[in-house]
Amino acid sequence: DIQMTQSPSSLSASVGDRVTITCRASQGISNSLAWYQQKPGKAPKLLLYGASTLESGVPSRFSGSGSGTDYTLTISSLQPEDFATYSCQQYYSTTLTFGGGTKVEIK
Amino acid sequence: EVQLVESGGGLVQPGGSLRLSCAASGFTFSNYWMHWVRQDPGRGLVWVSRIKRDGSSTDYADSVKGRFTISRDNAKNTLYLQMNNLRVEDSAVYYCARETSFRGSYFPDYWGQGTLVAVSP
Repeated sequence: DIQMTQSPSSLSASVGDRVTITCRASQGISNSLAWYQQKPGKAPKLLLYGASTLESGVPSRFSGSGSGTDYTLTISSLQPEDFATYSCQQYYSTTLTFGGGTKVEIK
Repeated sequence: EVQLVESGGGLVQPGGSLRLSCAASGFTFSNYWMHWVRQDPGRGLVWVSRIKRDGSSTDYADSVKGRFTISRDNAKNTLYLQMNNLRVEDSAVYYCARETSFRGSYFPDYWGQGTLVAVSP
């Protein structure tokens, strides 16, 4: 299975901060990467797919980049509703695998 | 509005069985592959199983193969996960998710809120 290593596992940030989360695959995944946001007790929400394509309705402060094995999720200006856990997921392989998650907390 | 609502979770002893259900609405259920994904408490998401639109093809993670069975009833817009011979390590929140496609690749887009399965002596 393709291993997805996500970092950091948690971070503290303030409203208005720029936040970057990285995800590294154990092999190349050809941009077959999605990012999800999850709040406690809620369903995971798809933010981006194809590494950089924003899901409909997701604010433009969210962006994604990367290629090969290394990918990044950036929140350009953190908003109060963005405090949540973010997970990457590769779908290059039929066995879907996820990163361990990054919890974004209020500083 | 797409909605996925899981049910059937609970507390069960090791070796026991549970059947999870996922009621779908807001989209044509029979047009979509569906998945089960689980999340161990405090840990990351782990893919469990997927099923083709008409139920004719299924796939499982190695950790559940031979113990879990995914199925669907398109007339009832419902996805199922029959879990047998449960182990303590199967304890998790179980999510159902709809699969979408993009440039020939496939991944979950809409997810339910999950149902908790606890396996304990």
